[in-house]
Amino acid sequence: TAGITQAPTSQILAAGRSMTLRCTQDMRHNAMYWYRQDLGLGLRLIHYSNTAGTTGKGEVPDGYSVSRANTDDFPLTLASAVPSQTSVYFCASQKGENTEAFFGQGTRLTVV
Amino acid sequence: GQNIDQPTEMTATEGAIVQINCTYQTSGFNGLFWYQQHAGEAPTFLSYNVLDGLEEKGRFSSFLSRSKGYSYLLLKELQMKDSASYLCAVREGDYKLSFGAGTTVTVRA
Repeated sequence: TAGITQAPTSQILAAGRSMTLRCTQDMRHNAMYWYRQDLGLGLRLIHYSNTAGTTGKGEVPDGYSVSRANTDDFPLTLASAVPSQTSVYFCASQKGENTEAFFGQGTRLTVV
Repeated sequence: GQNIDQPTEMTATEGAIVQINCTYQTSGFNGLFWYQQHAGEAPTFLSYNVLDGLEEKGRFSSFLSRSKGYSYLLLKELQMKDSASYLCAVREGDYKLSFGAGTTVTVRA
């Protein structure tokens, strides 16, 4: 069982370039999330989606965009990367309100 | 929005008990989760509380008081493998799940 998968695992990106972080789940979960994790700051919510076709802004949405065209995929796009976006990015999915969220293995992004 | 506070670090001895506190302020509380995260890995689910009281799962227990905006995670019979970060997360509204900065627990022999 794949569960929730992120790609790539790591990436070095030149500042000003665009990039899409991919996230796919095969559990038919309704909700999906994107977080960034930085030392001392914990997991900060970037964007989330309650169900296919809807998205919402989290705590730190600036510089990021998402789409939810179907249940399985929730890509995160950086239109023009900046060094402050260097972080570890986690995607997560959740079936229902009272259920646990499952996390992908993370994407380590370095913007230089 | 919401604020979620937990201690930054805690140290305990193997076999001991440690209690990690979490306080939160939210406009629409709808459940509290605890996750464990080992260095370099993804968070994994430990417990969920939506009603007041204690939930016990083996060596781990979690407590919630909604009126006080307070939860704790209790780790008993500590083992070396319990050295990790412990994350408190609060769900606001339907699905918005926000995390505290995490508490790093170090277990010493």
